[in-house]
Amino acid sequence: KNEVEQSPQNLTAQEGEFITINCSYSVGISALHWLQQHPGGGIVSLFMLSSGKKKHGRLIATINIQEKHSSLHITASHPRDSAVYICAVGNTDKLIFGTGTRLQVFP
Amino acid sequence: EAGVTQFPSHSVIEKGQTVTLRCDPISGHDNLYWYRRVMGKEIKFLLHFVKESKQDESGMPNNRFLAERTGGTYSTLKVQPAELEDSGVYFCASSQSLNTEAFFGQGTRLTVV
Repeated sequence: KNEVEQSPQNLTAQEGEFITINCSYSVGISALHWLQQHPGGGIVSLFMLSSGKKKHGRLIATINIQEKHSSLHITASHPRDSAVYICAVGNTDKLIFGTGTRLQVFP
Repeated sequence: EAGVTQFPSHSVIEKGQTVTLRCDPISGHDNLYWYRRVMGKEIKFLLHFVKESKQDESGMPNNRFLAERTGGTYSTLKVQPAELEDSGVYFCASSQSLNTEAFFGQGTRLTVV
């Protein structure tokens, strides 16, 4: 069992839908990161959080430290949101990654 | 400000050959990380430099992999001799200090044939 589990692995949505990606972890963490990777592109950091909730535009990330769970929400999804979304946790000096969630948003 | 840059973006080599990947971190970032994603798997940690020192190399798969960061600036990751299972995407990341936001490069896609 991976130390960081994401669900779902694949997700398709119609433009405008509300999207939720979940991440659970089993190790102690200093912070949790949500990352985005477009096809053929590099990895971009979306959020780094250690408690509560953060919002940036249409993206919202929440974390529940007691339950070791985080969610990434996308409101009013758009085809340009199509990408792989990766959850990673900071553990000692390194990141431990989930396998990623491949999101496709259709017009 | 330039981001993390990696070179080359793609490399195709034959089994048994040597390949050297390079990473230029963001200027002033003491922490430099190498990660790797092999086909179908999650991204895994390889090693962590603080300036020119190897802080943690627990993720290096075997002694065919050698990472250096002379002078504490750019880093190289050499694979010698390359094997088929080394194929994957190698990512470099840098951060200003421990447990702050890490910035990733575009990755180097290595294919060993």
